Amino acid sequence: DGGITQSPKYLFRKEGQNVTLSCEQNLNHDAMYWYRQDPGQGLRLIYYSQIVNDFQKGDIAEGYSVSREKKESFPLTVTSAQKNPTAFYLCATIDWANTRETEAFFGQGTRLTVV
Amino acid sequence: RKEVEQDPGPFNVPEGATVAFNCTYSNSASQSFFWYRQDCRKEPKLLMSVYSSGNEDGRFTAQLNRASQYISLLIRDSKLSDSATYLCVVNSEGSQGNLIFGKGTKLSVKP
Repeated sequence: DGGITQSPKYLFRKEGQNVTLSCEQNLNHDAMYWYRQDPGQGLRLIYYSQIVNDFQKGDIAEGYSVSREKKESFPLTVTSAQKNPTAFYLCATIDWANTRETEAFFGQGTRLTVV
Repeated sequence: RKEVEQDPGPFNVPEGATVAFNCTYSNSASQSFFWYRQDCRKEPKLLMSVYSSGNEDGRFTAQLNRASQYISLLIRDSKLSDSATYLCVVNSEGSQGNLIFGKGTKLSVKP
């Protein structure tokens, strides 16, 4: 069935390591987003991509990188330059092609902890 | 002024109560508005879109006031299962990523 799959659900990273969070969708949506959520806080935009092979920085892109080689996939790499990466990471898609009034669909999230 | 503002709460209400949340947005060109529900340690899920004429879905009613730039969510006959954080989301054309999220309002319904 259609949806967004994020993996892994839980991820532990040692300081100084790069880790990659996976986001795959079979909804055929053009736009994909990565958000970070800290406890008691709202969602903050890290990166987004409106089309394959193109992406833009969000409000908190420092220490993160992304790629969009395929429509279905938008992986997020948390690099060692991100000093406080422990957070809940959410991937979302939006189908702007249908109408401008459309909701975001979310994956189940990845909880990243630095140990 | 923040783009989307919500009262963080928490709102602690008894079962059966009626509770209302408000959300204000700063970009008058905003086009689409949504309420999402987020349970603890889970992803946000769409509760309802908010239309200019207002809309109702069972116990939930959403209203939009473009002149004053706010949207509201009314929950009638609160259930224990309504306990969650409610996120106001606005599509501000031209903003980064297009969707702007409020920080959420926490609701706790007590027996």
